[in-house]
Formats: sequence, structure tokens, C-alpha cells
Amino acid sequence: NAGVTQTPKFQVLKTGQSMTLQCAQDMNHEYMSWYRQDPGMGLRLIHYSVGAGITDQGEVPNGYNVSRSTTEDFPLRLLSAAPSQTSVYFCASSYSHSGNTIYFGEGSWLTVV
Amino acid sequence: GQNIDQPTEMTATEGAIVQINCTYQTSGFNGLFWYQQHAGEAPTFLSYNVLDGLEEKGRFSSFLSRSKGYSYLLLKELQMKDSASYLCAVRDAGNMLTFGGGTRLMVKP
Repeated sequence: NAGVTQTPKFQVLKTGQSMTLQCAQDMNHEYMSWYRQDPGMGLRLIHYSVGAGITDQGEVPNGYNVSRSTTEDFPLRLLSAAPSQTSVYFCASSYSHSGNTIYFGEGSWLTVV
Repeated sequence: GQNIDQPTEMTATEGAIVQINCTYQTSGFNGLFWYQQHAGEAPTFLSYNVLDGLEEKGRFSSFLSRSKGYSYLLLKELQMKDSASYLCAVRDAGNMLTFGGGTRLMVKP
């Protein structure tokens, strides 16, 4: 059972480039979300989805795009990378939006130069 | 919106007990979570409280007082491997989960 799988684990981008962080879960979870983690600021919610075809904005959505075409996958797109997007990104999933067990992926370390 | 406060750093001795506090202000309350995160790794689930009182799970316990907007995580018989960051997170009435900045715990021999 793979759980929540994120790729890539490490990435360096130049300012202005675009890229997609992949997230997949094999637990048939309805709820998936993306967080970024910066030093001293905890995890901040970027976007989330309560099911296939449904997405919504979190606390810090600007500069990011998401889609949910299947239950398993929830990719995060950086449209035009900026140094302020240098961060660690975590994908998470749970059975439902009110589930009390949330599973996190291993994280993606992104540096924008 | 939500506001969650927890100490930035704490130090404790191996074998001792440590209590990590978390205070919160939220528009509607729908549960409080504690996560453990080792450096360079993903957060892992420790506990979930939605009703007032103490939840015990082995060496770890978590307490909630909804009227005071207060929770604590109690770690007993500290081990070196308990050195990590501990994240408090609150879910509001809209099921949005907000994390505090985390408490970095250092366990010394």
C-alpha cells in the first residue's frame, strides 16, 4: 500500500518557469489537499478538493493551479515560478473532508532561483 | 479566520515529562489535531480531540478544553527519538484545517 505519493522530491526552477508537482493516493480518499511549509509558519493550505471534479482555494492559492480529474490524482501547477514559492510542499489526503486521520506525502522541496 | 499559538522551542531531559501547549481562536470548532514531524520528513498523526477531556495513547496524551480554546500534548518517559517538531492544527466549522507554527522539542541525555 503506497499511501500518498509525491513527485518530484527535489526540484530547482528558474524564475518564470512552470512545473507540476504530482500527488497520487491509492486509498480511495475523497479529500485531497496541498500545503506549503515555510520556516516558523507551519503548514498553510494552498488548494483542496473534496472529490473528483471539485476544487477550491485555501489560504494561499495565488500562483498555483490544481485539477482533480480522478479520485487518485491531485496535481499542483506552478504557473510562473517566483522565489517566494521556494518552500516544502506536502500533499495530504483523508477519507472525507471531516475525516480525523489525514495522511501526508513525503514532501517536495522546491527552490526557485 | 483562525489563530493558533504554540511555543517555538522547548528542551527536556530524557526520561522526563514535557507538556506542549496550544491555544487557538477559531470561527467554529470541529476538532484539534496533533502531529509529529521529524526534520526533513512528513508530519505523522498523533492524536485527535473533538470533545473536552484527555485522550491517552501510550506515552502520548492530548487534552482539550473548548471553552478555553486550549489544548496540550503530554509526552511521558521522553526518549531521544521524541526530538521533533510538534504541530497543533485546528479544523473549523467549514472543515478547513489550520496549523500552528509548530514547537521544536529537543530531548537531551
